[in-house]
Amino acid sequence: KAGVTQTPRYLIKTRGQQVTLSCSPISGHRSVSWYQQTPGQGLQFLFEYFSETQRNKGNFPGRFSGRQFSNSRSEMNVSTLELGDSALYLCASSFDSTRIETQYFGPGTRLLVL
Amino acid sequence: DQQVKQNSPSLSVQEGRISILNCDYTNSMFDYFLWYKKYPAEGPTFLISISSIKDKNEDGRFTVFLNKSAKHLSLHIVPSQPGDSAVYFCAARGRTYNTDKLIFGTGTRLQVFP
Repeated sequence: KAGVTQTPRYLIKTRGQQVTLSCSPISGHRSVSWYQQTPGQGLQFLFEYFSETQRNKGNFPGRFSGRQFSNSRSEMNVSTLELGDSALYLCASSFDSTRIETQYFGPGTRLLVL
Repeated sequence: DQQVKQNSPSLSVQEGRISILNCDYTNSMFDYFLWYKKYPAEGPTFLISISSIKDKNEDGRFTVFLNKSAKHLSLHIVPSQPGDSAVYFCAARGRTYNTDKLIFGTGTRLQVFP
């Protein structure tokens, strides 16, 4: 069974640009969550999608947005990039939320904003 | 406001000895706690969890202890092995069902040396 895949793995952008990251969940999984990992801040929850609907949202500005498609694949978009957006962006998928231990993380997309 | 805190950014332990990783939380509404292990260039992987109705959970070399009155949990690894060298995150979930949202600590880097 293939794991959670994220593309691209590495990305370099400049301030003011926008970026779209992609996450393909494990086959059959309907829930996708996104996290931002920065040094000293740990993993911070961005948002969660379930069956194409945003179910939960973290405390990030509106520049951060996401969506989920009917095949459960998810994208997150960051507009007007700032230097502080440089981070590892992780997505995680699960079949549902009844057993959170079965949430699997992808390897992440490392974004560098110059 | 960091609701889940890991105050030790790093820990170094000799192979065969016990590793103790600590985590404190502030929100009494958390009802489920998890530990994740993360290697470089990989996403976090689930290690062990504990419900707030328990004070201990054991899985092989890994044991998690929960002290609700102190809002403190710890992960014990006995005996420690070089392959345990990684960053360990504790995470908590609130009493909100139907969500995969987790609040993570900032992580502790464990190094197990021969």
